[in-house]
Amino acid sequence: GQQVMQIPQYQHVQEGEDFTTYCNSSTTLSNIQWYKQRPGGHPVFLIQLVKSGEVKKQKRLTFQFGEAKKNSSLHITATQTTDVGTYFCAGPGRDDKIIFGKGTRLHILP
Amino acid sequence: DTEVTQTPKHLVMGMTNKKSLKCEQHMGHRAMYWYKQKAKKPPELMFVYSYEKLSINESVPSRFSPECPNSSLLNLHLHALQPEDSALYLCASSQAPGGPAYEQYFGPGTRLTVT
Repeated sequence: GQQVMQIPQYQHVQEGEDFTTYCNSSTTLSNIQWYKQRPGGHPVFLIQLVKSGEVKKQKRLTFQFGEAKKNSSLHITATQTTDVGTYFCAGPGRDDKIIFGKGTRLHILP
Repeated sequence: DTEVTQTPKHLVMGMTNKKSLKCEQHMGHRAMYWYKQKAKKPPELMFVYSYEKLSINESVPSRFSPECPNSSLLNLHLHALQPEDSALYLCASSQAPGGPAYEQYFGPGTRLTVT
């Protein structure tokens, strides 16, 4: 079945360092979404990317959609303790389902 | 109101019990979802309701029975569960069906423990 591969699984960074998580698909994606789940919380929608090569920014977060629409990345500049959580990408599967990547768990070291 | 509410927050039930999880949204969304999430795993889709009709059942065991009484409410009836069914059960809604085209709003979840 269709899969969205996400790496790394875990990332520990010092506060103030940058962080990036990557999503890859073997097939072209019509769009990709990103969600954040805080520890003990629920997924919260961050953004949706639709266009080839699209780049969107939300404060310290930069989201990219690859030219071939097969990969995407989320980059956080100068991480803060509030960035702790698991970041999921989600792509379209068959029959209008959403397929979540396995997520990247971000730990911030003070 | 951009909130999805779920009750109860926590539920402990025995394998012979019958219980129900409830979900409510007042955003006028026409698609509602049940997900199951195990620790350190992504949400797994269980059911999708589109315009109050069940449109997707991801081969979920019959001990889970969804119900959509109206466009704002979604229930998940539980019966004869197994310990491996212990998980966080998340409800979500989106503006319309067509899943990945629309952002999903998740509720806080019900943390279920089956003893």
